Amino acid sequence: GAVVSQHPSRVICKSGTSVKIECRSLDFQATTMFWYRQFPKQSLMLMATSNEGSKATYEQGVEKDKFLINHASLTLSTLTVTSAHPEDSSFYICSARVEGRGEKLFFGSGTQLSVL
Amino acid sequence: LAKTTQPISMDSYEGQEVNITCSHNNIATNDYITWYQQFPSQGPRFIIQGYKTKVTNEVASLFIPADRKSSTLSLPRVSLSDTAVYYCLVGALLSGGYQKVTFGTGTKLQVIP
Repeated sequence: GAVVSQHPSRVICKSGTSVKIECRSLDFQATTMFWYRQFPKQSLMLMATSNEGSKATYEQGVEKDKFLINHASLTLSTLTVTSAHPEDSSFYICSARVEGRGEKLFFGSGTQLSVL
Repeated sequence: LAKTTQPISMDSYEGQEVNITCSHNNIATNDYITWYQQFPSQGPRFIIQGYKTKVTNEVASLFIPADRKSSTLSLPRVSLSDTAVYYCLVGALLSGGYQKVTFGTGTKLQVIP
């Protein structure tokens, strides 16, 4: 149980376009999801905390108008990278906490974004 | 949030026991200690979690001293497939709260045949 499904796993887009990444909790409800980005050989960096039914909380230095987060239901959070540029190329990962499953996080498989 | 310090990398031969220590000197009373494993181009995977003393599951053991200022992940008899980055996280995901969880540098474990 506690599966977090993230799609797409890989996306290549042209500079200036927008890309949407979906994160779904398949067998549980997630009131809170976290979005991370990871550059090669580096650790995960928290971008924002996605709260169901309310605005996301962004970390310092993360542009909320560029990285749009929507958490409209208890099983789906989306991250949209707007007007993508090559410097946005990175590995994006979502995670969720499961109620009643202790203080642990379950992660999606990640999305590799490449902006040409 | 408690800051964690881990070795950047470790090497081990197949079949050996590997111990990775994490320092978290300013751990708070409500904080749990959780270890995750990450393979390249994949999301992290939960390994083990503890609050105090010793915890053991089918893949690892976690040793936490009484002062909780450090913890040691023990992987018995590692194989090549255990080559990965291991992250130690300290924090509390409070019910009804949105306390964030941030990752440290992690330890890259390289298992050698």
